[in-house]
Amino acid sequence: EVQLVQSGAEVKRPGESLKISCQASGYVFTNYWIGWVRQMPGKGLEWMGIIYPDDSDTRYSPAFQGQVTISADKSISTAYLQWSSLKASDTAMYYCARHEGVATPHPDSWGQGTLVTVSS
Amino acid sequence: DIQMTQSPSSLSASVGDRVTITCRASQGIRIDLGWYQEKPGKAPKRLIYAASSLQSGVPSRFSGSGSGTEFTLTISSLQPEDFATYYCLQYTSHPYTFGQGTKLEIK
Repeated sequence: EVQLVQSGAEVKRPGESLKISCQASGYVFTNYWIGWVRQMPGKGLEWMGIIYPDDSDTRYSPAFQGQVTISADKSISTAYLQWSSLKASDTAMYYCARHEGVATPHPDSWGQGTLVTVSS
Repeated sequence: DIQMTQSPSSLSASVGDRVTITCRASQGIRIDLGWYQEKPGKAPKRLIYAASSLQSGVPSRFSGSGSGTEFTLTISSLQPEDFATYYCLQYTSHPYTFGQGTKLEIK
């Protein structure tokens, strides 16, 4: 069974850094893209980007390019999303999602979400 | 970016009703479209992929159709557990884009 277990909720101040994680199990981690989706409070889903853990090929949505970094450690089957300097507008629920498919990988299995709150 | 216009944004219906949700793409996306269900406090769940393929374990009352620029999700007979928010997602080109969502409420 595919499982994606995300790290716990975070409360941070503006300007702080943060790295959240998504540990995968139940499948060969290096064979699938894995990515992140944002949901701001009361809003819809936004696709942020994906990484292929085998070679770290990464694709970002232009809306998030330069704002976050997506990485993966294939030795521990874990994907990461990190910020170097958080803003209040980064307050949101963040989901990781395995992406299935070769030519057009897309989300199939999802993590439980990590709530990030940024407030002074 | 490809824009996905989903309608309606909200819908009131009764148990047993047939409902249809539509997504229109700003340009052709072949059949590279998925439908996702989200319930409060839960992660999204894939219902349909490749426009019309039913995810394993999803009840057959859910169906998807369409290609190119127009797509529909149909629930043939609403059940109490179907009241949720539904999103389409195009994945033909980066950045992938979701529709705005349809909140399905009990009438």
